[in-house]
Amino acid sequence: IQVTQSPSSLSASVGDRVTITCQASQDITNYLNWYQQKHGTAPRLLIYDASNLETGVPSRFSGSGTGTYFTFTISSLQPEDVATYYCQHYDNVPLTFGGGTKVDLK
Amino acid sequence: QVQLVESGGGVVQPGRSLRLSCAASGFTFSSFGMHWVRQAPGKGLEWVAVISYDGSYRSYADSVKGRFTISRDDSKNTLFLQMNSLGAEDTAVYYCAKDYGAGWRYLDAWGQGTLVTVSS
Repeated sequence: IQVTQSPSSLSASVGDRVTITCQASQDITNYLNWYQQKHGTAPRLLIYDASNLETGVPSRFSGSGTGTYFTFTISSLQPEDVATYYCQHYDNVPLTFGGGTKVDLK
Repeated sequence: QVQLVESGGGVVQPGRSLRLSCAASGFTFSSFGMHWVRQAPGKGLEWVAVISYDGSYRSYADSVKGRFTISRDDSKNTLFLQMNSLGAEDTAVYYCAKDYGAGWRYLDAWGQGTLVTVSS
């Protein structure tokens, strides 16, 4: 199963709404997770099972979708959200990650 | 709190072997699936392998199948990755990660990574 993420990069202003999409090559129900990776650090889980917020993650982050189409949203971009974001499916093995979306400030 | 500490990375010549370790603490290691994920310089994340909580199931990415072996020692709370026949394409930071459950679902804790450089 392949997961295609878009866009590959984006620039936005503080306070902007940011949306990233992830499309799976076949139906994966809600078996889709989202991670944040800041420069030089390990990834961090943000969203699991497509729409569930991991404990301690700010509520400005959200996820939705089912089947083959998923979205990840930052409702109001903050400076500390500059990072690369990845989707990852777990419908079966091998697991795969999307190619990543680099988010920076305009 | 959950802590994962990788070790064993370094510079290795093409065709040689290397074994990575990941020391786990802060949770019941024997109850959870464990993963290796790698990231080549300037590239995205690539899932490498998973081992189930009891070691009975292992799966690998096609890119490493037949060359890499994932294993675990629950008595030492340690995860391993044996890497053989290394090539330049294996140069990456290797992360170990804990799964939420017994097999594979989502990776809810990550180590800081260990760099493997394959070069002559």
